[in-house]
Amino acid sequence: DTGVSQDPRHKITKRGQNVTFRCDPISEHNRLYWYRQTLGQGPEFLTYFQNEAQLEKSRLLSDRFSAERPKGSFSTLEIQRTEQGDSAMYLCASSLASGGREYGYTFGSGTRLTVV
Amino acid sequence: AQTVTQSQPEMSVQEAETVTLSCTYDTSENNYYLFWYKQPPSRQMILVIRQEAYKQQNATENRFSVNFQKAAKSFSLKISDSQLGDTAMYFCALDMRFGAGTRLTVKP
Repeated sequence: DTGVSQDPRHKITKRGQNVTFRCDPISEHNRLYWYRQTLGQGPEFLTYFQNEAQLEKSRLLSDRFSAERPKGSFSTLEIQRTEQGDSAMYLCASSLASGGREYGYTFGSGTRLTVV
Repeated sequence: AQTVTQSQPEMSVQEAETVTLSCTYDTSENNYYLFWYKQPPSRQMILVIRQEAYKQQNATENRFSVNFQKAAKSFSLKISDSQLGDTAMYFCALDMRFGAGTRLTVKP
């Protein structure tokens, strides 16, 4: 297992277009998280899954954002009708939570989105 | 709601010296996890150290240690014998919530 993989690494899109990002977590990890990070800021929580169930979604997230994790494996994050304010690094992380314990996240390298 | 505050946007330290990064948080939970993550320039974020709230003993990982004060809701990171490779953004996290980060520069 080579860690958390994110694809693509970079995406440039025109305002109003839809984009989809993919995240492949560490196979043994049951939790998967999506974050958004702008330059010089901390990661902003978007949503997380435990196996295939989406357990929490940020209230800051508009209806244009949707995430899925079919079969509890890889995950996709879709942004519809992109806006310039969506330009950011989108980070995926996975973790193993077992017996009430959380062991910390492994992050991917991120997908940098630029909306022009 | 859970919040994480890092009050030091930037810090610097001389190589081989010790530096402490501050973090305070707020939560109504009794059991939770606290983390410090490191994000080197243009590189991915990695876990530095982890603390379980129900454990009173402070976590230690080689040159990295924490001072966890549960009643004060404080969770500081101490880096001993600082190395040039420690230059990075450091983020404090409470479960899934991250602070704004502290940019640490280690000077030769």
